[in-house]
Amino acid sequence: SQTIHQWPATLVQPVGSPLSLECTVEGTSNPNLYWYRQAAGRGLQLLFYSVGIGQISSEVPQNLSASRPQDRQFILSSKKLLLSDSGFYLCAWSRGTGGHEQYFGPGTRLTVT
Amino acid sequence: GENVEQHPSTLSVQEGDSAVIKCTYSDSASNYFPWYKQELGKRPQLIIDIRSNVGEKKDQRIAVTLNKTAKHFSLHITETQPEDSAVYFCAASPNDYKLSFGAGTTVTVRA
Repeated sequence: SQTIHQWPATLVQPVGSPLSLECTVEGTSNPNLYWYRQAAGRGLQLLFYSVGIGQISSEVPQNLSASRPQDRQFILSSKKLLLSDSGFYLCAWSRGTGGHEQYFGPGTRLTVT
Repeated sequence: GENVEQHPSTLSVQEGDSAVIKCTYSDSASNYFPWYKQELGKRPQLIIDIRSNVGEKKDQRIAVTLNKTAKHFSLHITETQPEDSAVYFCAASPNDYKLSFGAGTTVTVRA
């Protein structure tokens, strides 16, 4: 069966500091991978998605970036965090071909102070 | 791109009553419509989905209906229980890659 991991679970960072969130998927090959952000009490905003190693599509221009160095690894980064970057960051995966269903990781709760 | 609207934003029901959440979508090419349930502080969980070649799908107390002509779909929860209290999100997908989500409905089941 497939499993998706995210870490860290919670993070408190000062404004202007860098960020690195990691997501890994087990039990599947060549998945589509996604990063979402959810502000408190709000909906799901798609930030990036990737259909393969090194292939990143950005949905929202901002000070965040994403990378996919390995097939089942997806990283979300920032060089300098803003207060508005606070939120619940969710990684998700779906099957690479013929699959719409997306499955979410446990999430990282980021507070920028 | 696809635009999904979801109503109502909040819904309070008496335990045992039914709850209905409605969504509309804009892209006629959308062919996959999932529903997610998110409990407080947890990840969204896929609870049911429907594809465009089907008009209705049921799984125990939950059901989803799809009207492609009108471009709307609905989630029905019967015999609601306290554990049904959560935020529910609908979504639509015109391809294999992306989901466009509605803004969510907070459902509260009163005991």
